[in-house]
Amino acid sequence: QQQVKQSPQSLIVQKGGISIINCAYENTAFDYFPWYQQFPGKGPALLIAIRPDVSEKKEGRFTISFNKSAKQFSLHIMDSQPGDSATYFCAASRGSEKLVFGKGMKLTVNP
Amino acid sequence: KAGVTQTPRYLIKTRGQQVTLSCSPISGHRSVSWYQQTPGQGLQFLFEYFSETQRNKGNFPGRFSGRQFSNSRSEMNVSTLELGDSALYLCASTWLVPGTDTQYFGPGTRLTVL
Repeated sequence: QQQVKQSPQSLIVQKGGISIINCAYENTAFDYFPWYQQFPGKGPALLIAIRPDVSEKKEGRFTISFNKSAKQFSLHIMDSQPGDSATYFCAASRGSEKLVFGKGMKLTVNP
Repeated sequence: KAGVTQTPRYLIKTRGQQVTLSCSPISGHRSVSWYQQTPGQGLQFLFEYFSETQRNKGNFPGRFSGRQFSNSRSEMNVSTLELGDSALYLCASTWLVPGTDTQYFGPGTRLTVL
């Protein structure tokens, strides 16, 4: 049973475009939703996170949108740059329980 | 502040052997989690240790085990290696609670089983 489903699996955008990655979750008890960014040869690094008491959180060019009723959250990358090319993982957890990760999405930003 | 370190970075083993991977968390962090990353399955949670006690466990067979020492350093062991165990093994450290505090990942140990 996959508790966090991520789509699409890969995405190619042009420099300056908007990248959108979607995640759907099943467990309504989840209360922490982070996004991680992973470059080749490196471990994932926290990009931005949200809790269900807010519908949107923005940090620079990165925005999380959260839809509690639809059990979905998404990452928007504005003005995408070639340096944003990486694999992005959404995740979710409840309290002190383990983080459950989506399967990842490989983003390629063409110059 | 030094990040999470993992040793070794690369490892090649043959089927049936066992392997031990090591993780040193960020200084002051007391929680260490381990993940297996493969292209098909993404990041799969193995276990989490806090103050030398296993606090959470994923759905992996008993061949996968771990422990945490009093200085928060952690090791994981895989016995009787199988081809399917080839993966990137990631360690992540957290100050106290992974769901509340940020998890910081190490670069991983790339295990290849031949």
